[in-house]
Amino acid sequence: EDKVVQSPLSLVVHEGDTVTLNCSYEVTNFRSLLWYKQEKKAPTFLFMLTSSGIEKKSGRLSSILDKKELFSILNITATQTGDSAVYLCAGNSGNTPLVFGKGTRLSVIA
Amino acid sequence: NAGVTQTPKFQVLKTGQSMTLQCAQDMNHNSMYWYRQDPGMGLRLIYYSASEGTTDKGEVPNGYNVSRLNKREFSLRLESAAPSQTSVYFCASRTGTHNSPLHFGNGTRLTVT
Repeated sequence: EDKVVQSPLSLVVHEGDTVTLNCSYEVTNFRSLLWYKQEKKAPTFLFMLTSSGIEKKSGRLSSILDKKELFSILNITATQTGDSAVYLCAGNSGNTPLVFGKGTRLSVIA
Repeated sequence: NAGVTQTPKFQVLKTGQSMTLQCAQDMNHNSMYWYRQDPGMGLRLIYYSASEGTTDKGEVPNGYNVSRLNKREFSLRLESAAPSQTSVYFCASRTGTHNSPLHFGNGTRLTVT
């Protein structure tokens, strides 16, 4: 059975800290790993990673995939209170539905 | 630029009542999905439709039915609501090609008393 495991489940940091969120996966016929940010409402798409070792970056957020060790990390530097959210990762095998982890709840306090 | 639209946003039902959650997307996506989200459980797939005319069960289909009315619309029906179905429901869609992200609606918060 395909599964995605995220750690930690929750995290509290101070503004300005750097955080690393982890995602390990076991997905048959793996094609890509996706990261989402969920605040009050719908998850919003952050990154899709398909190749090992190639960093995707958007502002203070970056992510990388290791297909040999079957994991991905999401880094957030110089955190702000607006980064407080649940971060979800999902494994993609193509035509079948995405397999989501349970998420990491990040709280950034001033 | 509507994307994925869900209605209603909120609903309160009594046990045994029925209702239909509506979902429509205007991105010409082939695949559509219904998830429920509960505290500590993450997103769990209820049903999905890989393409117009097909539907398949997900992880937690019991107590639900779906209809892919056309390419744009995918509805979720609760025939006899139970308190265990209290949850936030999300509809999502994607193109269906191998590496396409999901786009989510804003969710329906359902309470069954």
